[in-house]
Amino acid sequence: GQQVMQIPQYQHVQEGEDFTTYCNSSTTLSNIQWYKQRPGGHPVFLIQLVKSGEVKKQKRLTFQFGEAKKNSSLHITATQTTDVGTYFCAGDQAGTALIFGKGTTLSVSS
Amino acid sequence: DGGITQSPKYLFRKEGQNVTLSCEQNLNHDAMYWYRQDPGQGLRLIYYSQIVNDFQKGDIAEGYSVSREKKESFPLTVTSAQKNPTAFYLCASSSSGGGGNQPQHFGDGTRLSIL
Repeated sequence: GQQVMQIPQYQHVQEGEDFTTYCNSSTTLSNIQWYKQRPGGHPVFLIQLVKSGEVKKQKRLTFQFGEAKKNSSLHITATQTTDVGTYFCAGDQAGTALIFGKGTTLSVSS
Repeated sequence: DGGITQSPKYLFRKEGQNVTLSCEQNLNHDAMYWYRQDPGQGLRLIYYSQIVNDFQKGDIAEGYSVSREKKESFPLTVTSAQKNPTAFYLCASSSSGGGGNQPQHFGDGTRLSIL
């Protein structure tokens, strides 16, 4: 069936290091969404990418949607302790509900 | 103050008992969703509803039931047929239109445990 794979499952970095999580779909997506869940909290929507090759930035976060609209990445520059949490991608294939990846859990030590 | 309210925050179920988790939204969203979250498993879709009086099964609907009698409300019943109900349950809603799935707004979740 349709799947959205996300890697890595866990990542630990020192504060100030960069971090990247990758998302890959077995099928072409109409759009992809990213969410962040803080420890003990609920997922919060970050951004939606729609166009092939699209790149969007939110301060230190850079989101990219692949040319084939099958993969996406989230890159955080110079991580801070406030970046701690689990980052989920969610793929949208027209006509179906969103398919969430299993998430990448980021821990940051100062 | 618009949002999604889930209750209770913690719930305990005895063997053989049905329990109902509440989800109410005042965002005027057409679509509502129930997810189950287990450690390392991400978000798995249980049921979703795109309009009042209509709902569809998600990937793990067995042992669960829902109703959508009002736009604001989408309660989830965990039946005794669900043999491993211990998990964190998240309700979400989104607007419709614009083509495709719109961003989802989540409630704070209900943590269900077996006694």
